[in-house]
Amino acid sequence: GESVGLHLPTLSVQEGDNSIINCAYSNSASDYFIWYKQESGKGPQFIIDIRSNMDKRQGQRVTVLLNKTVKHLSLQIAATQPGDSAVYFCAELMNTGFQKLVFGTGTRLLVSP
Amino acid sequence: EAGVAQSPRYKIIEKRQSVAFWCNPISGHATLYWYQQILGQGPKLLIQFQNNGVVDDSQLPKDRFSAERLKGVDSTLKIQPAKLEDSAVYLCASRNPGRSKLFFGSGTQLSVL
Repeated sequence: GESVGLHLPTLSVQEGDNSIINCAYSNSASDYFIWYKQESGKGPQFIIDIRSNMDKRQGQRVTVLLNKTVKHLSLQIAATQPGDSAVYFCAELMNTGFQKLVFGTGTRLLVSP
Repeated sequence: EAGVAQSPRYKIIEKRQSVAFWCNPISGHATLYWYQQILGQGPKLLIQFQNNGVVDDSQLPKDRFSAERLKGVDSTLKIQPAKLEDSAVYLCASRNPGRSKLFFGSGTQLSVL
């Protein structure tokens, strides 16, 4: 079956620290792996994606790492800020003839000042 | 750029009543998705449209849920009759088929009493 899950339901960090959010996936038939951020009362917001043939991609303050050998995805946030507090979801964009996005259950990131 | 618009923002109904949600995707986005997000969980795909055709409704409870996208733009999702377990946030998203990024609306929060 298809499954995208997360190791830690809640991650608490101090402002300025680096945060690492992890995700395990089980379905290898994916074109992209994507991280979304969801703040309370809002829809998920795209953060960064990585194509399945890559192992690292960097954005502004964020880095996504993909390890296909162990089916593991991580999101690293540098110099975490209070505004980064949210729930983070990993997701797979699977090419099953049409592109289907499957989400995991999420990790809540709490940033203390 | 205008985002994905959804209405209503909140809806409270009693079980066995009917309810409808409306979505206006980003202009030019041919792919439209409806997701159900139960509190504390990741969004779960209900149905996916490509223009006005359904490409995936495998997770849609078809005995009570229906959706349409008649002119390939706006979409409505209906529940009839509603059950207590339908209480959730219903998210609409759209995507340009050539890109990996989905844009989400703020959702409709449904409470079934």
